[in-house]
Amino acid sequence: DGGITQSPKYLFRKEGQNVTLSCEQNLNHDAMYWYRQDPGQGLRLIYYSQIVNDFQKGDIAEGYSVSREKKESFPLTVTSAQKNPTAFYLCASSPLGVRNTIYFGEGSWLTVV
Amino acid sequence: DAKTTQPPSMDCAEGRAANLPCNHSTISGNEYVYWYRQIHSQGPQYIIHGLKNNETNEMASLIITEDRKSSTLILPHATLRDTAVYYCIVNDMRFGAGTRLTVKP
Repeated sequence: DGGITQSPKYLFRKEGQNVTLSCEQNLNHDAMYWYRQDPGQGLRLIYYSQIVNDFQKGDIAEGYSVSREKKESFPLTVTSAQKNPTAFYLCASSPLGVRNTIYFGEGSWLTVV
Repeated sequence: DAKTTQPPSMDCAEGRAANLPCNHSTISGNEYVYWYRQIHSQGPQYIIHGLKNNETNEMASLIITEDRKSSTLILPHATLRDTAVYYCIVNDMRFGAGTRLTVKP
């Protein structure tokens, strides 16, 4: 089935450790996105990429890094510089263009203790 | 910042129509209005989109005002499973806080 796969679904890490969240899509979409969601809050854009080997900072990029070496993959690394990394992380993708429905993965819960 | 404004929460009785408003006063001529919903702890799901004309699909109807500065998502017969956060966005990758719709029995 076509879609977006995020892994792992649940992740626990100790403070000070970097952690990488995986996101893979087989929808052949050019654009991919990472969002962060805190309890009871909306989605905040971390990074986005519209083409392989290029990506742009979103609204809350500090403490995060990404790569886009392949069209179908857009991993997010939460670094130790992120002050409060515990959150729900959502990956998404869309075609480029004026009409660009965004498709989401099921999300990854990161808990840092 | 998101280009849209939505009320933070709304209630609706089960079986009645839920009408969710969205203001997008700075929308430009070729920008589409999109609606998504997010059930707790899941990824948001696309519902419907439109440019100028009203649209309807199996999930909902979208009414866009003639000046395109606002729109309304209509769930014609709300069920308990429609309880979710509904996001209205305008051709953008940024989502605001959305409207938390609670359908009550």
